[in-house]
Amino acid sequence: QSALTQPPSASGSPGQSVTISCTGTSSDVGAYNHVSWYQQHPGKAPKLMIFEVSKRPSGVPDRFSGSKSDNTASLTVSGLQAEDEADYYCSSYAGINYWLFGGGTKLTVL
Amino acid sequence: EVQLVESGGGLVQPGGSLTLSCAASGFTFSTSWMTWVRQAPGKGLEWVANIKEDGSQKDYLASVKGRFTISRDNAKNSLFLQMNSLRAEDTAVYYCTTHHKWTFDFWGQGTVVTVSS
Repeated sequence: QSALTQPPSASGSPGQSVTISCTGTSSDVGAYNHVSWYQQHPGKAPKLMIFEVSKRPSGVPDRFSGSKSDNTASLTVSGLQAEDEADYYCSSYAGINYWLFGGGTKLTVL
Repeated sequence: EVQLVESGGGLVQPGGSLTLSCAASGFTFSTSWMTWVRQAPGKGLEWVANIKEDGSQKDYLASVKGRFTISRDNAKNSLFLQMNSLRAEDTAVYYCTTHHKWTFDFWGQGTVVTVSS
């Protein structure tokens, strides 16, 4: 299986909204509602931001939202703040107890 | 508070072996699936292996199957990854994570494995 496809970079100004896509196939993203999103600041461990396509763990601001259409999942960050600048990774269950990650998107707050 | 602390990383020659450990606290370890995820330098995340709560099911990334073994000691709240026949492409930060509802919800800080001669 190949990694999920994410754009290498995205950017927005403070207060704006930005959407990051994550494209898979009908065998992973399209087949299951088991898509998650992780935020990783430089030198730090990843942090879960979204699970099961659109659910937020306790403590994650509601500025972060997730959705899915066919084989593509999306993470939207609304009301961008400086601390949102980080790398973002999607992941999806791919069947037969196998998980895939995306290549990551570097979000820059201008 | 969930805490996951990895250890055991280091520099190893190609073909060598290394065992990573993860000490867990702040949650009921014996009822949690656990996972190892790695990140090569400057690269993205890669799922490596899963283990069921009681150790009865283990799943592996194709490229590590037969070389890596995931295990756990529920009495000591510990997760392990035995890595044999190491290759340069195994060089990465290895993270221990909890695994709940089809996602990786808590992560350790990682331990660095470098395979080089």
